[in-house]
Amino acid sequence: DQQVKQNSPSLSVQEGRISILNCDYTNSMFDYFLWYKKYPAEGPTFLISISSIKDKNEDGRFTVFLNKSAKHLSLHIVPSQPGDSAVYFCAASLSGSARQLTFGSGTQLTVLP
Amino acid sequence: NAGVTQTPKFQVLKTGQSMTLQCAQDMNHNSMYWYRQDPGMGLRLIYYSASEGTTDKGEVPNGYNVSRLNKREFSLRLESAAPSQTSVYFCASSALAGYTGELFFGEGSRLTVL
Repeated sequence: DQQVKQNSPSLSVQEGRISILNCDYTNSMFDYFLWYKKYPAEGPTFLISISSIKDKNEDGRFTVFLNKSAKHLSLHIVPSQPGDSAVYFCAASLSGSARQLTFGSGTQLTVLP
Repeated sequence: NAGVTQTPKFQVLKTGQSMTLQCAQDMNHNSMYWYRQDPGMGLRLIYYSASEGTTDKGEVPNGYNVSRLNKREFSLRLESAAPSQTSVYFCASSALAGYTGELFFGEGSRLTVL
């Protein structure tokens, strides 16, 4: 049973619009959440994170929102750019431990020019 | 500026053959990891090494062995490859095992077992 789920395998968005990628989790003990971005033939790279004591974290065009009661997090990209086209993985960890990191299955974002 | 380097990038094996995936990091990180990525499954942890001299099983360790050769290098061995081990393998490192979870990944090794 997957503890971290990304129910949308793919998402297409027009350049300049907002991209919203969603992630749900089942383990209420998760206390740290991360988003990774992956281009083809490359390894995932860290994008943004959020601690469970916060409900929002911003970094430039990227904002992550955490709704603990709903066990849901989302990544907003505004404005979306063609270079944002990639697979996005959400991940959750227990007590900030990298060895306890659980990944979702990923969402392929395509930003159309 | 190499970061995490994995070799080989591609490999085709026959069932029952053995091979070793090599991984090296130059960031002086203490912890290293091996993940596999399968379609629709995300990344799953095979083995990790919290520090030099220690290794521990992850979520899917069966059929694999690892060696933390020194602080820089962490290898993954398939003793008798099976078609179910066809996957993309990623090595990763982090400063500390109990860190924020930020991992630095290599480019991946695509393994096909026939």
